[in-house]
Amino acid sequence: GAGVSQSPRYKVAKRGQDVALRCDPISGHVSLFWYQQALGQGPEFLTYFQNEAQLDKSGLPSDRFFAERPEGSVSTLKIQRTQQEDSAVYLCASSTGNLYNEQFFGPGTRLTVL
Amino acid sequence: RKEVEQDPGPFNVPEGATVAFNCTYSNSASQSFFWYRQDCRKEPKLLMSVYSSGNEDGRFTAQLNRASQYISLLIRDSKLSDSATYLCVVNGGGGSYIPTFGRGTSLIVHP
Repeated sequence: GAGVSQSPRYKVAKRGQDVALRCDPISGHVSLFWYQQALGQGPEFLTYFQNEAQLDKSGLPSDRFFAERPEGSVSTLKIQRTQQEDSAVYLCASSTGNLYNEQFFGPGTRLTVL
Repeated sequence: RKEVEQDPGPFNVPEGATVAFNCTYSNSASQSFFWYRQDCRKEPKLLMSVYSSGNEDGRFTAQLNRASQYISLLIRDSKLSDSATYLCVVNGGGGSYIPTFGRGTSLIVHP
């Protein structure tokens, strides 16, 4: 079956531009996570959804970051007025929702802000 | 102090060597623990879960020490294909379900 997919795989944005990153989780997975990974670092938690409910957004770096999952499947991470420090790989992961279960990651979107 | 700490390495070892990584965590109420593997420019993938009693999967052994708040990963008979970054992940604690990743430990296995 299909794994987690993300699009676009690469995005180059000019500073100040808005971007939207898409995540298609594994079908039936209720939990969806977004992470930001800088070079040489581990993934940093951004936000978490259980079905369509955003249960935690404490990791979002600023109010320029916004995430949604309106129908409990596909999710979009939007970054407004991008800054150079937003350059990173954005990873999406899904799981069945149990703390003890594996997270399945998508390939990530590499965002470069010029 | 970061919630989950790992020595970033790199650990540079010859084929056939045994290598061990440790990871310490600060939240004593953490509930589940994992090791993920991440190849260069790829996404993380689960290597193994870590159980209180310790667990083994082929050449890989994971252990949890709750009293000292660390988990370990032992790789025996290293292969060239083991070269990757190994990420420690700690879940839960205090009502939180947020997975916390360490920065990863880089392993390079050379001929």
